Amino acid sequence: DTEVTQTPKHLVMGMTNKKSLKCEQHMGHRAMYWYKQKAKKPPELMFVYSYEKLSINESVPSRFSPECPNSSLLNLHLHALQPEDSALYLCASSAPGLAGGWNQETQYFGPGTRLLVL
Amino acid sequence: SQQGEEDPQALSIQEGENATMNCSYKTSINNLQWYRQNSGRGLVHLILIRSNEREKHSGRLRVTLDTSKKSSSLLITASRAADTASYFCATGKNTGGFKTIFGAGTRLFVKA
Repeated sequence: DTEVTQTPKHLVMGMTNKKSLKCEQHMGHRAMYWYKQKAKKPPELMFVYSYEKLSINESVPSRFSPECPNSSLLNLHLHALQPEDSALYLCASSAPGLAGGWNQETQYFGPGTRLLVL
Repeated sequence: SQQGEEDPQALSIQEGENATMNCSYKTSINNLQWYRQNSGRGLVHLILIRSNEREKHSGRLRVTLDTSKKSSSLLITASRAADTASYFCATGKNTGGFKTIFGAGTRLFVKA
């Protein structure tokens, strides 16, 4: 199974709402990623989890709160978002390298959640 | 800031022609990868080339890497309408977690 699943596929929320995005993989990968992608732009890295611990936070506003409850699951909790946060949110996962490091590993992407903030 | 920059930004060719996309980056890397994205959906990994490799092939894809010039190219031979998509290069670096930075992308349109 080389699939990364994301739910929901689409989400519309108001600026006062709290919602969560979910990502799941069963490939035994121990690194998971959140990316944000605006229309006609490349994905921008938001967070990286390595072995269920947050290892990279690309100075993302605190209204985005990631969570990695176990090695298969990654959540992104959303609260008090702004209309400019509307985007495609992509999750990805990768395996550690042969020596346990993170070099040279392919990332497998989910189909994304298209978020619209009103 | 973005690591990889790509050109051209957009490319329109006829089916059967070859398509070449270029990517340049700024700092040292562990690897460089190419991804394809159809219609704003998830990215599909195409090929990975390590910093100590110069060329790699996969089916109709050929990737080159020149670390002295900090550049890479992706060649798609005998293109098909189904190759229509956005193509991104992505550079990878181990910074205590694996950080991947995507280039701006090339939008390829293959006319049948």
